[in-house]
Amino acid sequence: EVQLVESGGGLVQPGGSLRLSCAASGFTFSSYWIHWVRQAPGKGLLWVSRINIDGSHTSYADSVKGRFTISRDNAKNTLYLQMNSLGADDTAVYYCVRDGHCTTTSCFGNWFDSWGQGTLVTVSS
Amino acid sequence: DIVLTQFPDSLAVSLGERATVTCKSSLGVFYPSDNKHFLAWYQQRPGQPPKLLIYWASTRASGVPDRFSGSGSGTDFTLTISSLQAEDVALYYCQQYYTTPPTFGQGTKVELK
Repeated sequence: EVQLVESGGGLVQPGGSLRLSCAASGFTFSSYWIHWVRQAPGKGLLWVSRINIDGSHTSYADSVKGRFTISRDNAKNTLYLQMNSLGADDTAVYYCVRDGHCTTTSCFGNWFDSWGQGTLVTVSS
Repeated sequence: DIVLTQFPDSLAVSLGERATVTCKSSLGVFYPSDNKHFLAWYQQRPGQPPKLLIYWASTRASGVPDRFSGSGSGTDFTLTISSLQAEDVALYYCQQYYTTPPTFGQGTKVELK
């Protein structure tokens, strides 16, 4: 069974930093692109970032570019999201999501076939 | 970015009746080289993460009941629940993956009448 378990969320002050982790199991982690998707309280879904199978390609939403960094450790089956300069607009549940389509280093078109339960990030003073 | 607009924002349907959700894209999402539409649908039950229902506009994901179907072309797509069950009460989102960033519709809430 595919499992994605996020951790690292919590309350952080504006301007602060946080590092999210996502522990993967039940599949060959190193064969899949992985994403972060967030959902502000009572709001819709927003794609945040993605990373390809070997970490050679990353991409970010404009709203987080330059502040967030996605990375992965295939030996530990773990995905990370380093979040800096956090603001109130970053308050959301952050989901770790497996790509349903891309299993090579280069790929076009990402849908999301497995989601973690999410971790809540609250940015407030 | 491609903007996806869903209609309606909410709908109430009786058990066993049909529910139809529409998703309109600001740009076509058909990729001729693959002969596919780059559009997916998700279900999000209260308090749960989203679940993939449909990809390539009309392909049901593994384990999804056949009462769920996707259709459409160009910029207009539809998710149909042929006979609503109680467990189908949820938010439904469309998503395009034709361009980066992948984007979602605002969601449609399906409730019981």
